[in-house]
Amino acid sequence: SQQGEEDPQALSIQEGENATMNCSYKTSINNLQWYRQNSGRGLVHLILIRSNEREKHSGRLRVTLDTSKKSSSLLITASRAADTASYFCATDARTNAGKSTFGDGTTLTVKP
Amino acid sequence: DSGVTQTPKHLITATGQRVTLRCSPRSGDLSVYWYQQSLDQGLQFLIQYYNGEERAKGNILERFSAQQFPDLHSELNLSSLELGDSALYFCASSVAGHTNTGELFFGEGSRLTVL
Repeated sequence: SQQGEEDPQALSIQEGENATMNCSYKTSINNLQWYRQNSGRGLVHLILIRSNEREKHSGRLRVTLDTSKKSSSLLITASRAADTASYFCATDARTNAGKSTFGDGTTLTVKP
Repeated sequence: DSGVTQTPKHLITATGQRVTLRCSPRSGDLSVYWYQQSLDQGLQFLIQYYNGEERAKGNILERFSAQQFPDLHSELNLSSLELGDSALYFCASSVAGHTNTGELFFGEGSRLTVL
């Protein structure tokens, strides 16, 4: 099974609202990353948080990491219709020799 | 534009056939990763190469093979194709090769349809 699992699987909100997605993982990690994928396109890196960090910001994105609970959350504030996409967390486990393992993703729909 | 180039973008072939997917990483990136994305399996890591050598192996079938050439481009060979091999195949590259993967830069993918 995947190392990372996102929750919820799908999320639908109105423009201007905040969107929160969660990711849980199973083993110790070096870092955790969030990616975005527009339908049928390649994944785009959003943000990386290292295992010794608890929170990170990038524009309208806020990522938290709780290594004791093996979980992370991605918050998108003041969402826009253009934020409609699938969002994936990827974990770089300490025992996985450098490969990033992706979860199944959260599909976000932002209605104008 | 991520700087990672994948060809072909679309490929339709028949069961039992063999195809080759090609990837050119970002300039300066030494690592190339291959991922398979299908509706039922999600995004699955297949294999990683770093500076021409295999570095990590994931859920890659024996019918599949890959290599990275001296100019750092990579090819993924898929043989004896089955219907279930229909998927989007992504190549990604990064500077790093060891346990700290760092940011991955993805190509736009090659969509393989096996009929």
